[in-house]
Amino acid sequence: AQSVSQHNHHVILSEAASLELGCNYSYGGTVNLFWYVQYPGQHLQLLLKYFSGDPLVKGIKGFEAEFIKSKFSFNLRKPSVQWSDTAEYFCAVNAAYNTDKLIFGTGTRLQVFP
Amino acid sequence: EAQVTQNPRYLITVTGKKLTVTCSQNMNHEYMSWYRQDPGLGLRQIYYSMNVEVTDKGDVPEGYKVSRKEKRNFPLILESPSPNQTSLYFCASSFAAGRDNEQFFGPGTRLTVL
Repeated sequence: AQSVSQHNHHVILSEAASLELGCNYSYGGTVNLFWYVQYPGQHLQLLLKYFSGDPLVKGIKGFEAEFIKSKFSFNLRKPSVQWSDTAEYFCAVNAAYNTDKLIFGTGTRLQVFP
Repeated sequence: EAQVTQNPRYLITVTGKKLTVTCSQNMNHEYMSWYRQDPGLGLRQIYYSMNVEVTDKGDVPEGYKVSRKEKRNFPLILESPSPNQTSLYFCASSFAAGRDNEQFFGPGTRLTVL
């Protein structure tokens, strides 16, 4: 069965620090990969997605993610975080052959202090 | 405005009292889905629907029912709620299940079962 692991459960950073959130998935076939963000009290919004092509994907608000197939990873990065990036971040994956189901990781809570 | 709406946003009820959480989308999306979000567990899919009159179980369907009589609506029914169904529930929709399975999420319904 597919699964998604986010090993960083809670990350605390100061503004301007660099961010990298880990995401690993367990599925050997072709996958579609997503990062969603949930700001406090709000619903989930799509940050970025990867289907095929360039493994370095750029999303909104300066976020990017790199798909490394050999490592089954899709880590999220941002060079310089802001206080407004405080949120919970979810990695999600679905198998290209069965896109009915989107499997989410357990989430990483990011707190950014001024 | 394109959106997914859920009602109610907050609900406190007692064990065994049937309840329905409504979900509606105005984007003519074919695919709709219900998730529950619990601390440390991320989002888990309860049920999904590929189109009108087509529904299927997700990862945690026990204790829930759904129906899809119209394209825009996908209510979640708890026939006999129990305290372990206390959670934050999200409805989501997308144009179709497929590569472009970017799901748009509703604002969430926080349910407490006493």
